[in-house]
Amino acid sequence: QVQLVESGGGVVQPGGSLRLSCAASGFTFSSYGMHWVRQAPGKGLEWVSFIRYDGSNKYYADSVKGRFTISRDNSKNTLYLQMNSLRADDTAVYYCAKSCCGGSCYCDYWGQGTLVTVSS
Amino acid sequence: DIVMTQTPLSSPVTLGQPASISCRSSQSLVHSDGNTSLSWLQQRPGQPPRLLIYEISNRFSGVPDRFSGSGAGTDFTLKISRVEAEDVGVYYCTQATQFPLTFGGGTKVEIK
Repeated sequence: QVQLVESGGGVVQPGGSLRLSCAASGFTFSSYGMHWVRQAPGKGLEWVSFIRYDGSNKYYADSVKGRFTISRDNSKNTLYLQMNSLRADDTAVYYCAKSCCGGSCYCDYWGQGTLVTVSS
Repeated sequence: DIVMTQTPLSSPVTLGQPASISCRSSQSLVHSDGNTSLSWLQQRPGQPPRLLIYEISNRFSGVPDRFSGSGAGTDFTLKISRVEAEDVGVYYCTQATQFPLTFGGGTKVEIK
């Protein structure tokens, strides 16, 4: 069965960096696009970033553009999100989600999420 | 960006009774390939989101048939024919027709 397991969250000071990982199993990772979506405490869902199955195209929300970088290692079945210049409003649970196809389409499977807290 | 507007914000429902959630997009969700990438997610308390319905009306694997989706263009509806206790949570509509992907604000389904 499809499994997505995020890791790398934690507490970081404003201006700091974190790298999130998402280990995928149960499907052919290299054939599917992948998303990052976040949820601030008590709030709704916010899309963060997307990467095509082969890494050839990447998209970002305006709120993270220039600060976050999405990447993937298909040999390790792992998705990453490098987050730099973190701000208090980046505090959220970060979910990785599998796209239903190689490009962007609806998210059909979601991980359990990893909490990122930006605070001094 | 495509704005997704959900109503109501909250839906108190008696067990066994139906529930309905509306979602309106600020522009058509029909993609150039003819598909409409409108899906519905369920988020139970303390859980990650889970896909219920994709492409307006297709139930995802394992989703009970009491859930159904309908609509076209910019107006969409999720219906629960008979609400059960396990249906408590927040429901989101979302579009993947264009970047950025966007979500409705969520509708909380609770038992009266």
